[in-house]
Order: sequence, then C-alpha cells, then structure tokens
Amino acid sequence: GEDVEQSLFLSVREGDSSVINCTYTDSSSTYLYWYKQEPGAGLQLLTYIFSNMDMKQDQRLTVLLNKKDKHLSLRIADTQTGDSAIYFCAEGNNAGNMLTFGGGTRLMVKP
Amino acid sequence: EPEVTQTPSHQVTQMGQEVILRCVPISNHLYFYWYRQILGQKVEFLVSFYNNEISEKSEIFDDQFSVERPDGSNFTLKIRSTKLEDSAMYFCASSYTSGGASPQYFGPGTRLTVL
Repeated sequence: GEDVEQSLFLSVREGDSSVINCTYTDSSSTYLYWYKQEPGAGLQLLTYIFSNMDMKQDQRLTVLLNKKDKHLSLRIADTQTGDSAIYFCAEGNNAGNMLTFGGGTRLMVKP
Repeated sequence: EPEVTQTPSHQVTQMGQEVILRCVPISNHLYFYWYRQILGQKVEFLVSFYNNEISEKSEIFDDQFSVERPDGSNFTLKIRSTKLEDSAMYFCASSYTSGGASPQYFGPGTRLTVL
C-alpha cells in the first residue's frame, strides 16, 4: 500500500530557514499537501501542490516536488517561534478520496 | 473564514458503550470524511461520504462504525460498542469536490478516551 515518511524532528533558530522533507511511494499520487498541527488544535491546511508542478511558493512557504524521486519538501523562510508545530505531509490521488499521511515532523524554533 | 467544527472536544466513555461524534462541515462542501489518530501513530483514513452514502472506507471502518448525515448540516460518526483500542483523536474533514482537486479541510478533532 501507499506509504509516506517524514523525519521526526527538526530544530532551527528563529530567523533561519526550515526545510521539512517527505517521501512517498505511490507513483499515482496526484496531489500532495502540507498540514500544520499546533498543540491541542486540528490539522490546518498550509499549502498543496499538484504532481504536474515542480514548485509552488506562497509567501514564506516554498514547496518543492521531485516526482522522479517521490520527494516533497516544505521550506519556511524566516522561521518564527509561532511556526513551532507538527507538520504533516499527505498524498492523495484521483482514484479515491483518502489522504495518506506521514507521521509528522515536529518543528522546534529556538529564539 | 468558514471552518469545520466538531463536538465534543473530549469524550470519555466506558468500554462497550456507544458514542456519537459530531461534525459540522463547511457549508458548501459536498464530501465528508472521518480520520483518526491513535496517540503516537499516523493519521489514518476511516471513511468518505458523498450524496448520503459511503464512497470509500478503510479496513478500520468495520461493522461497529457507521456514519450519517442526519440533517443538512451535521455529519456524525457512531461507534456502536467501543473498545479500548478505539481511544484516539477523531478528525472530521470536508471538501467541495473529490479526488484531491479541492483540498480537505479538517476540524479540531474529538479526543475519545475509552476506559
């Protein structure tokens, strides 16, 4: 079945860039998503990219997709303490409605 | 900004009891979903629902689970006879269309604790 993997933890200093990585196995993945979860809160949609794109930029967020290597990354520029959260990568495809999630990367931003 | 809401935020129940988790999806959305996250594990898909019927379900969604849209705004997940292993955070989500063309928006979750 499909699998999505992420590293568990990332620590950066305030003002630095953060890069969160994700790999997936389903070659029919059509849409890839990044969600953010703050403590005690739900999953907030941050951004998403279609598989026919290589890059998408949205303010401080840049998503890069390497479809050949099935690798997705989320870059947060000028990381702030308010960016501290768990970031989930998820993939979906046109064949169905379900999203398959990675385990989440906990981002800690030090002042 | 429209959002998905869920009630209650935390539900504690005894093993064997029935629970109903409630969700109000975004008003113009047509597709509704339930996911769960057991502590320390990945978010897992349970079921998707469209036009008053289940469109897709996972192996987790067995006969003890059911979903319903009892009126024009609510979407519910019922667990008939809860087990200890049903303890998890349950997330409701909705989207305007299916197949990823419009993203799924999630609610804040209901934490279910089965004692």
